[in-house]
Amino acid sequence: DAMVIQNPRYQVTQFGKPVTLSCSQTLNHNVMYWYQQKSSQAPKLLFHYYDKDFNNEADTPDNFQSRRPNTSFCFLDIRSPGLGDTAMYLCATSRPHSADTQYFGPGTRLTVL
Amino acid sequence: QKEVEQDPGPLSVPEGAIVSLNCTYSNSAFQYFMWYRQYSRKGPELLMYTYSSGNKEDGRFTAQVDKSSKYISLFIRDSQPSDSATYLCAMSTNDYKLSFGAGTTVTVRA
Repeated sequence: DAMVIQNPRYQVTQFGKPVTLSCSQTLNHNVMYWYQQKSSQAPKLLFHYYDKDFNNEADTPDNFQSRRPNTSFCFLDIRSPGLGDTAMYLCATSRPHSADTQYFGPGTRLTVL
Repeated sequence: QKEVEQDPGPLSVPEGAIVSLNCTYSNSAFQYFMWYRQYSRKGPELLMYTYSSGNKEDGRFTAQVDKSSKYISLFIRDSQPSDSATYLCAMSTNDYKLSFGAGTTVTVRA
């Protein structure tokens, strides 16, 4: 089945130790998104790619970076995680101009100790 | 003021009851309105999608949009324990960005 896959599902890291989360998709969608969702809060968009064009949200901390080496894969790099970065990180994909039909992966639950 | 407001609940109902969920919003440019269901420790899955105002029905689920009041609703009829989840409303202006509510946690008791 076509889907959005995220690895790892759970990640524990230490304060300040860089971490990379990965997302892959078999839907062949042009647009890929990264969201941060803290407990009992709405998902917050960090950035998105339209093909290789990167779009950062204005309030996304500089600590968060992303790479998209090809259509299928996208990575979220957190350079120096703080305790406040503990959250679920969700990857999603969509066709262009179809934000209404985003398909989400299962998420990576990140804990920063 | 948040762009999308959603009562976080929690909401607990007996099996077979009607579940009523709603969101209000402030941005009159929103045109697309969605409801996502999110099970514990999983990603959101699209449940219902509505363009502009009106009603949409899919099985036991009915979505309503009232743009004049900036108010959207989701009704679940004949609720089942498997409907226990967090329900997130989301909306967009036809660009790449979804604005989410914080989600309402629903428990359907057997």
